[in-house]
Amino acid sequence: KNQVEQSPQSLIILEGKNCTLQCNYTVSPFSNLRWYKQDTGRGPVSLTIMTFSENTKSNGRYTATLDADTKQSSLHITASQLSDSASYICVVANDYKLSFGAGTTVTVRA
Amino acid sequence: GAVVSQHPSWVICKSGTSVKIECRSLDFQATTMFWYRQFPKQSLMLMATSNEGSKATYEQGVEKDKFLINHASLTLSTLTVTSAHPEDSSFYICSATTDSYNEQFFGPGTRLTVL
Repeated sequence: KNQVEQSPQSLIILEGKNCTLQCNYTVSPFSNLRWYKQDTGRGPVSLTIMTFSENTKSNGRYTATLDADTKQSSLHITASQLSDSASYICVVANDYKLSFGAGTTVTVRA
Repeated sequence: GAVVSQHPSWVICKSGTSVKIECRSLDFQATTMFWYRQFPKQSLMLMATSNEGSKATYEQGVEKDKFLINHASLTLSTLTVTSAHPEDSSFYICSATTDSYNEQFFGPGTRLTVL
């Protein structure tokens, strides 16, 4: 069964601090892995997309890593801002379907 | 670029009525559109996949007669929740793509509340 597991379920950080979110998957075959940011009551917005051969991809203060051998990915948020408060969803695509993680809810406090 | 809109953004209806939600790709032609449902604190669940001009493909457990999907053009797909009941209350999100599994662009979602 294709599964995507994210951890932690939620976290609270102080503004300006860094944090790392984890994603483990069992999806096979693998096409690409995506990280989305979803603000409350809004649709997901793409942060990064990585294929099998990519290990790291950045988008501003967001840096995603991928280890296709261990089927793990992480999303690192640098110098967090209040606007980073959102749910971060890991999505893994195979040849015909997307598998969604449950998301990590990040709360940034001043 | 790659903007997807949904209308309405929220809707409240009485039990037994039907509700139509529109999904539009504003600046690109979408060969495939997807409809998702999201319950509070849960991830998105795919309901159906629709290609322009053909019947939608529904996920297991999704009633095709209750959730009618029409993808009449390359920029518009509609989801009609027929005879809505309180358990249909949810956040409905569409996405659109030109290349099904390279990139999907999500709409802002529609909050449906059935009283």
